[in-house]
Amino acid sequence: AQSVSQHNHHVILSEAASLELGCNYSYGGTVNLFWYVQYPGQHLQLLLKYFSGDPLVKGIKGFEAEFIKSKFSFNLRKPSVQWSDTAEYFCAVKGNAGNMLTFGGGTRLMVKP
Amino acid sequence: DTAVSQTPKYLVTQMGNDKSIKCEQNLGHDTMYWYKQDSKKFLKIMFSYNNKELIINETVPNRFSPKSPDKAHLNLHINSLELGDSAVYFCASSLVGGKETQYFGPGTRLLVL
Repeated sequence: AQSVSQHNHHVILSEAASLELGCNYSYGGTVNLFWYVQYPGQHLQLLLKYFSGDPLVKGIKGFEAEFIKSKFSFNLRKPSVQWSDTAEYFCAVKGNAGNMLTFGGGTRLMVKP
Repeated sequence: DTAVSQTPKYLVTQMGNDKSIKCEQNLGHDTMYWYKQDSKKFLKIMFSYNNKELIINETVPNRFSPKSPDKAHLNLHINSLELGDSAVYFCASSLVGGKETQYFGPGTRLLVL
């Protein structure tokens, strides 16, 4: 069975600080990896995804993530956060043949102005 | 245009009642899903459904049943509601296949009193 672990449950940063959110997964086959963001009171929106190719993927709003196969990791990064990045961030994994996403527990990011 | 829509947005009801949440997508997707997000923001897949196959997460009580009148709709019916059913329920849709992105609806916040 696949599983996803996000070790940082709560992160508080000041504006302009750099961000890195950890995501580790457990899965025996080829995986597809996703980061979703949930702004307060809103639905989940896709930030970025990795299927194959360049392990460094760029998403919307200046976010990027790096897939490191040897570490089973897909950490999310942003060089300089803004107050508007305050949200819950979810890492998710899906097998190559499957449909169902398995989500991590989420990381709540608060950016202080 | 709303890609994935859900109604109602909020639902407050008494224990023991039966209720339904509706979901519609206009993306032409062939697979739809229901997720439950609990009070700790943990997201868990409940069902995956396309016109060929219903996949049920084994942890979902049989009081929950998805009903799909057509490819664009997947409603969630819940019998004999319990306090622990209080959560936010998200519908999602995608094309079939591991590489496909899931698009989420705005969520339905269910409160069982």
